Amino acid sequence: NAGVTQTPKFQVLKTGQSMTLQCAQDMNHEYMSWYRQDPGMGLRLIHYSVGAGITDQGEVPNGYNVSRSTTEDFPLRLLSAAPSQTSVYFCASSRRREGEQYFGPGTRLTVT
Amino acid sequence: KNQVEQSPQSLIILEGKNCTLQCNYTVSPFSNLRWYKQDTGRGPVSLTIMTFSENTKSNGRYTATLDADTKQSSLHITASQLSDSASYICVVSRTGANNLFFGTGTRLTVIP
Repeated sequence: NAGVTQTPKFQVLKTGQSMTLQCAQDMNHEYMSWYRQDPGMGLRLIHYSVGAGITDQGEVPNGYNVSRSTTEDFPLRLLSAAPSQTSVYFCASSRRREGEQYFGPGTRLTVT
Repeated sequence: KNQVEQSPQSLIILEGKNCTLQCNYTVSPFSNLRWYKQDTGRGPVSLTIMTFSENTKSNGRYTATLDADTKQSSLHITASQLSDSASYICVVSRTGANNLFFGTGTRLTVIP
């Protein structure tokens, strides 16, 4: 099993550009989520999904969109990048909402 | 307010020594408490998950304790190794909620 994979590993965007961060898992997990990690702060939940076709907002959803067309994939879209979105982004999955979460390796995003 | 606080923020110890990291939380109603290890540039990896009824759980040289009455947890690392150098994150889950509450982590450095 590859576990949770994320691409790209690094990305630099200019303000106003859009892009999609990819996340995939091969463990048949129903629950997937996106977090951002900023210096001096705990991970914060952006969006999550409890299964294919179902998504919901987390703590900091503004400026981000998600979709879940399959169990395996959960892409995160930045609509119009802003410097405040400079962060490290982690995707995670678990068999159920309160189960053990498996994190991807992260995407380091810089917006200039 | 639901919060998770960890101490110390950072810690330096000699290889072979033991150490204990602390986590205090105010999350309610409590579901479970997790400890994660995050190596630099990597995603968090689960060490232990404890529910209300569990007051201690071990994973190799890592032993976590939970006192649900005082809302405190500790992570004890025995006979530290250089590979233990990482951030250790305490995470608390609230019953019925979709988000997890993350501490800001303790940065542990093990020196030879």
